[in-house]
Amino acid sequence: EPEVTQTPSHQVTQMGQEVILRCVPISNHLYFYWYRQILGQKVEFLVSFYNNEISEKSEIFDDQFSVERPDGSNFTLKIRSTKLEDSAMYFCATQGLAVGDTQYFGPGTRLTVL
Amino acid sequence: GEDVEQSLFLSVREGDSSVINCTYTDSSSTYLYWYKQEPGAGLQLLTYIFSNMDMKQDQRLTVLLNKKDKHLSLRIADTQTGDSAIYFCAESKTGGFKTIFGAGTRLFVKA
Repeated sequence: EPEVTQTPSHQVTQMGQEVILRCVPISNHLYFYWYRQILGQKVEFLVSFYNNEISEKSEIFDDQFSVERPDGSNFTLKIRSTKLEDSAMYFCATQGLAVGDTQYFGPGTRLTVL
Repeated sequence: GEDVEQSLFLSVREGDSSVINCTYTDSSSTYLYWYKQEPGAGLQLLTYIFSNMDMKQDQRLTVLLNKKDKHLSLRIADTQTGDSAIYFCAESKTGGFKTIFGAGTRLFVKA
């Protein structure tokens, strides 16, 4: 069965450093999403991306965050200057265009900011 | 706005049935999901139901949807200690819309 993959599985960084989280979508999927889950809390929507632009973003997704598809396959989330409160699990999800296509979630990247 | 509500805790004895309940507010939701998350792990999609269905059964899992009341439930038959986890209810629509998650119900299974 096709699956969404994410790298790295765990990233440790110093406060103020930039991080890039990577996602490889299922091959024919064209809707892409990032979500985050702070330890012990619910999964929160960050941003959705379609046709090379952001479709929707939450209030969490401020100027420190950006997304792109640098090579037409990977989908990345960049945090420019990490803060302690960015420590969380980050999930990528992708979805096809067909009616009836659900979102498929990746296994997540655990980001720890020290 | 859109919201998904769940009770936070449920405790059952091994072998009993567990019923986890969820309510949602968006009447235009297309999909309603149940995810399982074990400590430190990712989201495991257990099952989902289309909004035009009332019930879906998959082995030990039964999902019931009351669209009028916007109420979703997950029944786990013959609950085992390995079922101990957090269960998230979620809803979304087709066509590039975000998934909205509930806060999760922590299921404790006593041996």
